[in-house]
Amino acid sequence: GENVEQHPSTLSVQEGDSAVIKCTYSDSASNYFPWYKQELGKRPQLIIDIRSNVGEKKDQRIAVTLNKTAKHFSLHITETQPEDSAVYFCAASYTGANSKLTFGKGITLSVRP
Amino acid sequence: NAGVTQTPKFQVLKTGQSMTLQCAQDMNHEYMSWYRQDPGMGLRLIHYSVGAGITDQGEVPNGYNVSRSTTEDFPLRLLSAAPSQTSVYFCASCRGGWNTEAFFGQGTRLTVV
Repeated sequence: GENVEQHPSTLSVQEGDSAVIKCTYSDSASNYFPWYKQELGKRPQLIIDIRSNVGEKKDQRIAVTLNKTAKHFSLHITETQPEDSAVYFCAASYTGANSKLTFGKGITLSVRP
Repeated sequence: NAGVTQTPKFQVLKTGQSMTLQCAQDMNHEYMSWYRQDPGMGLRLIHYSVGAGITDQGEVPNGYNVSRSTTEDFPLRLLSAAPSQTSVYFCASCRGGWNTEAFFGQGTRLTVV
């Protein structure tokens, strides 16, 4: 089955700096790659996603890039703010029977004021 | 729309007790799933369903049962609680497959003593 890995497990940045969080996946059939943000004590919520027919997608301060050859995708957050502090999960799935949504272990981002 | 609703929010069980975690969604989503979240382990899939009457096992199904008699409800049953099942449980639903946005419930924090 699919294996999604995130490294490192924690990341600390200064407010205003950029943050990059990377994930790798194992199943070449995967074609959908979402990112979820979980604030402390809250439920995970989708912040951005990308499909395999696209190399990059942006939404204001966040962007996601996908490298299908290397099987990795990254979340980019620019001009970080304290409210960006949270756990970020990447995930992967594919279209079709027996598909599941597989999550990475999450990375805790801390933005220092 | 209430979205995905989980009950209870908190529960303490004694080892060997059984209980059912409730999950209901009012978005007419076909796909529903249960995850457990443990520190450093991310979101691990327990069971999932692609429609009423259809369920399947995820990554960590042992000790849990599910059923899907209606589109709206997807309860998770702990047959004989063990301390290893102490975790935060999230129910999620997707509209048209795992390659679409997953909506999470608010979570159930379960402690088994």
